[in-house]
Amino acid sequence: AQTVTQSQPEMSVQEAETVTLSCTYDTSESNYYLFWYKQPPSRQMILVIRQEAYKQQNATENRFSVNFQKAAKSFSLKISDSQLGDTAMYFCAFIQTQGGSEKLVFGKGTKLTVNP
Amino acid sequence: DAGVTQSPTHLIKTRGQQVTLRCSPKSGHDTVSWYQQALGQGPQFIFQYYEEEERQRGNFPDRFSGHQFPNYSSELNVNALLLGDSALYLCASSLRSGYGNTIYFGEGSWLTVV
Repeated sequence: AQTVTQSQPEMSVQEAETVTLSCTYDTSESNYYLFWYKQPPSRQMILVIRQEAYKQQNATENRFSVNFQKAAKSFSLKISDSQLGDTAMYFCAFIQTQGGSEKLVFGKGTKLTVNP
Repeated sequence: DAGVTQSPTHLIKTRGQQVTLRCSPKSGHDTVSWYQQALGQGPQFIFQYYEEEERQRGNFPDRFSGHQFPNYSSELNVNALLLGDSALYLCASSLRSGYGNTIYFGEGSWLTVV
């Protein structure tokens, strides 16, 4: 089965500090895409960052960066200079293909709280 | 540029009833997928529509059905509602061509079954 595991149900960090959220996945595909989505209390799923598996360089989007370890099937998210607005659920996901169509497979999420 | 829009935002139904949820994809997108997110869980894939046909289906019973219209908008229908169908239903849209295109989500429809 192709799965995503987020081992940290909840995390907290002080404002302006750095926090890392963990994610491991299992897929039999050789090329795939990985994503981190943020879901604030408004419940809308917002794309934070994406990584293409064939690219060795780790993706970066402003204060957000990933540590992608393909051999270990690990995809962690680092948030630098944490802000109160970063408080949300964070979901790790990858794209699974079947018959030419794609779907996202999500982990159970990590609840991040940024404290003032 | 309008994003993914869903309606209604919230609704309450009685066990055994039927419900229809609606979704308009992001401008320029031709593929719509539906996900169910139970409280405290990650979203689970229900099915995907492209060119008005169901292309892939997750592990959901036949009570869950859908439709895609020529303008790419989509509906999710759930029959014979169960208490366990209470969840946030998320619509996602993307562009079919090209593997790995970014998938955008709507704000969801909260369904409560009583």
